[in-house]
Order: sequence, then structure tokens, then C-alpha cells
Amino acid sequence: AQSVAQPEDQVNVAEGNPLTVKCTYSVSGNPYLFWYVQYPNRGLQFLLKYITGDNLVKGSYGFEAEFNKSQTSFHLKKPSALVSDSALYFCAVSGANFGNEKLTFGTGTRLTIIP
Amino acid sequence: KAGVTQTPRYLIKTRGQQVTLSCSPISGHRSVSWYQQTPGQGLQFLFEYFSETQRNKGNFPGRFSGRQFSNSRSEMNVSTLELGDSALYLCASSLSNRANTIYFGEGSWLTVV
Repeated sequence: AQSVAQPEDQVNVAEGNPLTVKCTYSVSGNPYLFWYVQYPNRGLQFLLKYITGDNLVKGSYGFEAEFNKSQTSFHLKKPSALVSDSALYFCAVSGANFGNEKLTFGTGTRLTIIP
Repeated sequence: KAGVTQTPRYLIKTRGQQVTLSCSPISGHRSVSWYQQTPGQGLQFLFEYFSETQRNKGNFPGRFSGRQFSNSRSEMNVSTLELGDSALYLCASSLSNRANTIYFGEGSWLTVV
């Protein structure tokens, strides 16, 4: 079975400071990892994904994530936070089997950027 | 290119009724999946369709069903609605395999009273 853990329900960061949203995963085989963001009363918006290759993945809106196989982590980062980054962030992993499109999500981390 | 489109966006139903939600995937996408989002259970996978066949199914009762049409459009149905079915139902689409990005629609907000 696959699983994702987001250990922090809430992260507060001052505007302009770097931010990190943590994610660890468990899956058989090679993981396909994703980050999504959700704004109030909206659907999920894709930020970035790791499939293979470089452990540092760059995505939308200046976000990046670092894949660490030994620590089974995929933390989301941004060098300088904006107030508009305040939202709910979800980490997800997809199934290890071909054709298994199921995404397993973490419980989400609410990111608040303080002006 | 249009994104994933879900209709209706908001609806209110009474316990015991049934509801049908519709999803139009991104053009060219053949995989459509559905998720339920609630404050208590978070995001949970319902089912996934590819080429009109259900390829994966989550742990939901048989009251939850879906289908996919030849044009890849999908519908999900919930029969005998319960208060606990109140949720945001999200549809997502992707090209075909797990390496492809899965894109989500804005969701359908279902309230059961």
C-alpha cells in the first residue's frame, strides 16, 4: 500500500523568508510524486512532479521540491515567500503499477504567509 | 486548451435522493478519475476510468458508481444519499499513464440535507 505523510497541519512564514512544506512517502517500487495547491473553494492546481532524473524539481510560481530517496521525502520549497502563496498544499504519490493512476494524498498543510 | 470541466458546481440534495455529476476531461486525455474531499477524511480516491473501462476503484460503497463515454467524458452517480456524502467531488484527467500529470477540475460541491 502507498501512503503520504505531511507532518505539519499548519506552517506560518514571514513574507520574503524561505518556506518549506514537508512530505514523506511510502510506496513499492519507484515513486511518482506530486505537489498540488488548493485555494479556497477551488480545485487542485498542479505545482510540480518528480518522475525520474534530477532530484531537484522546479515547478510553477517559483516552487521547487527536493526528492530524497534515502529519507523517502519530497519537501516543497520556495526561496522567498509571497502573501499570495497562502493556501492549502497537498503532496501525493501515484501507484507503482503500470496503469494505476490512483493518487494517494497527504492530509494537507495550510501555509500562511504573514505580511 | 480548456481544462477539466465539472458540472454542476454546486448542488443541494435531500437524504435518500440520488445525484449525477459530470466531468469533461482535457481534450486528448483518456484517463478520468474521481476523488472525494471532506474535512474529516481528506482527499480519497473513488475510481478511475480509461477507455470506458473502470481501471481502479477505491474503498467506497456500491452506492458510488461511475462511467466513461466514448468521448472520454465521465459521470459519477451516488444513490441513496447520506448526510456523510456531503463533500467536494473532484474530477481529474490525464493522458494515459502514471508518469503523466493529473489535472483537476474545480469540483462539484454536494450538500446533502
